[in-house]
Amino acid sequence: DTAVSQTPKYLVTQMGNDKSIKCEQNLGHDTMYWYKQDSKKFLKIMFSYNNKELIINETVPNRFSPKSPDKAHLNLHINSLELGDSAVYFCASSVRDRRYEQYFGPGTRLTVT
Amino acid sequence: EDQVTQSPEALRLQEGESSSLNCSYTVSGLRGLFWYRQDPGKGPEFLFTLYSAGEEKEKERLKATLTKKESFLHITAPKPEDSATYLCAVLSYNTDKLIFGTGTRLQVFP
Repeated sequence: DTAVSQTPKYLVTQMGNDKSIKCEQNLGHDTMYWYKQDSKKFLKIMFSYNNKELIINETVPNRFSPKSPDKAHLNLHINSLELGDSAVYFCASSVRDRRYEQYFGPGTRLTVT
Repeated sequence: EDQVTQSPEALRLQEGESSSLNCSYTVSGLRGLFWYRQDPGKGPEFLFTLYSAGEEKEKERLKATLTKKESFLHITAPKPEDSATYLCAVLSYNTDKLIFGTGTRLQVFP
């Protein structure tokens, strides 16, 4: 099936650990995004890549580092995890010229204990 | 600063009971307003794009409208399968990113 996929679906870890979330899209899109959705369901953009180039970098702690090996993949690495990092992280993709029509992955629920 | 406010936070309807969801926005140069649907445990799903005041879009039981200050998502004769969180987002000419509201959680009971 064509889609945006993320792994893992759930991630439970302790404070101070380093973890990664992977995202892949097979829709042929050229732009990918990472969003964070907090406990109040507020969805906020973190990063956006177009053809492996970073185009949006919100005020996010530098413990978060996105990596795009190719335009179909956008991974998120988080160092020194904190309690406040607990949230659902969504990957999304779009065509650059229609970037409002974004296709979202199923989300990764990160719980930091 | 661009801002999106949705109301109500939650809405409970009986099947067949029509209603409207509101999305108020403050944005410097609206490029577009977008509605998404989010089911529990899933990512948002794109529904509509509205570009200018007076524009309307329809899809099954949903109709989205736009004024210069707000958008409405009208739900006519809803069914239980319409239960979801509906998110509104704006894109401005000043930024290149979607700004989302916190959504309206809709529950439709049979």
